[in-house]
Amino acid sequence: AQRVTQPEKLLSVFKGAPVELKCNYSYSGSPELFWYVQYSRQRLQLLLRHISRESIKGFTADLNKGETSFHLKKPFAQEEDSAMYYCALNFGNEKLTFGTGTRLTIIP
Amino acid sequence: NAGVTQTPKFQVLKTGQSMTLQCAQDMNHNSMYWYRQDPGMGLRLIYYSASEGTTDKGEVPNGYNVSRLNKREFSLRLESAAPSQTSVYFCASREYRHNEQFFGPGTRLTVL
Repeated sequence: AQRVTQPEKLLSVFKGAPVELKCNYSYSGSPELFWYVQYSRQRLQLLLRHISRESIKGFTADLNKGETSFHLKKPFAQEEDSAMYYCALNFGNEKLTFGTGTRLTIIP
Repeated sequence: NAGVTQTPKFQVLKTGQSMTLQCAQDMNHNSMYWYRQDPGMGLRLIYYSASEGTTDKGEVPNGYNVSRLNKREFSLRLESAAPSQTSVYFCASREYRHNEQFFGPGTRLTVL
């Protein structure tokens, strides 16, 4: 079955420390991968997609097909990074499958 | 350009009552979606509509119905609300070229 796993429900990191939010998936094909973010009192929005290989707000994510992972990373956490993060996959159809989310808290 | 709008923002229902959540988008997107967000469960797809006139079940469709009224509007109906339907409901539309979904602000529904 196609599945997206975010193993950490909660993650706390000190300001200035590196951040890594984990995402693993199970799918035999080549999915399209995304990270969505929901800041407090804001709507869910796209942070980045693996196809564009871009860096947004200092975050990057690399697709590792061997480990079936798409971890989100940032070298130096900032307080404004505190939010709920969702990994999401498109398996070549109309739908997105979301992980259960990780709430990131940056400690000042 | 309002993007995706949802009404109402908040609603409290008694068990057995019915209601319709409204969603509209002004971005001329073909595909629209309804999700529910529950703690520890992430976002789960209830129903989606790939184009005007079509609807399909998602992961958790039981207890819900949808109507794609036109290209702009996609409503979600609870015919007989149950406490298990207490959740935050999000509507989204999809921009085809970049496969990006745009979300509404959500409706917080409590069923007593």
